[in-house]
Amino acid sequence: NAGVMQNPRHLVRRRGQEARLRCSPMKGHSHVYWYRQLPEEGLKFMVYLQKENIIDESGMPKERFSAEFPKEGPSILRIQQVVRGDSAAYFCASSPGTGGSTEAFFGQGTRLTVV
Amino acid sequence: QQQVKQSPQSLIVQKGGISIINCAYENTAFDYFPWYQQFPGKGPALLIAIRPDVSEKKEGRFTISFNKSAKQFSLHIMDSQPGDSATYFCAASANTDKLIFGTGTRLQVFP
Repeated sequence: NAGVMQNPRHLVRRRGQEARLRCSPMKGHSHVYWYRQLPEEGLKFMVYLQKENIIDESGMPKERFSAEFPKEGPSILRIQQVVRGDSAAYFCASSPGTGGSTEAFFGQGTRLTVV
Repeated sequence: QQQVKQSPQSLIVQKGGISIINCAYENTAFDYFPWYQQFPGKGPALLIAIRPDVSEKKEGRFTISFNKSAKQFSLHIMDSQPGDSATYFCAASANTDKLIFGTGTRLQVFP
């Protein structure tokens, strides 16, 4: 049973470009959380999605950031017009839904560098 | 209200010693308190977790102590090993909601 798969593992973007981060949940998991980890800091919640539905986006910046989890395919975290401050590690976690965060498993993360 | 405060920021322990990391919270609605271990370049991995209806939980060399009245919980690593060198995060959540993480403790265990 494959774990939570995130790709790419490393992503370099120039300022102003778009970044797309993908997260494929564990088999049987229908809920996805996205977290951001700035250097030397803890993980900060961004968004919680169920297939085709955003449950909680209270941690998402108001502009340039969006997330989706379509019926088919991975969850996508999209960052438009990236700035240097977006450089961070982005982690997703998936859960089967019933236990929420108590049954969540994390992926290896995507390390975004904005140059 | 939503914060989880973690200390110390870094910890150096000799092999065989006890590592102790502390966390404190304010939100009394929190009902799940996990600890995660993270190695460089990897994602956080669940180490051990506790609910507020018990004061202690032990799994192998790892123990969580929980003090509900003080709103504090701690991780104890007994007989610390060099392989335990990693960053440790405490976290909390309410009603299976999103996790609120502490700022992390970088543990180094020297032989």
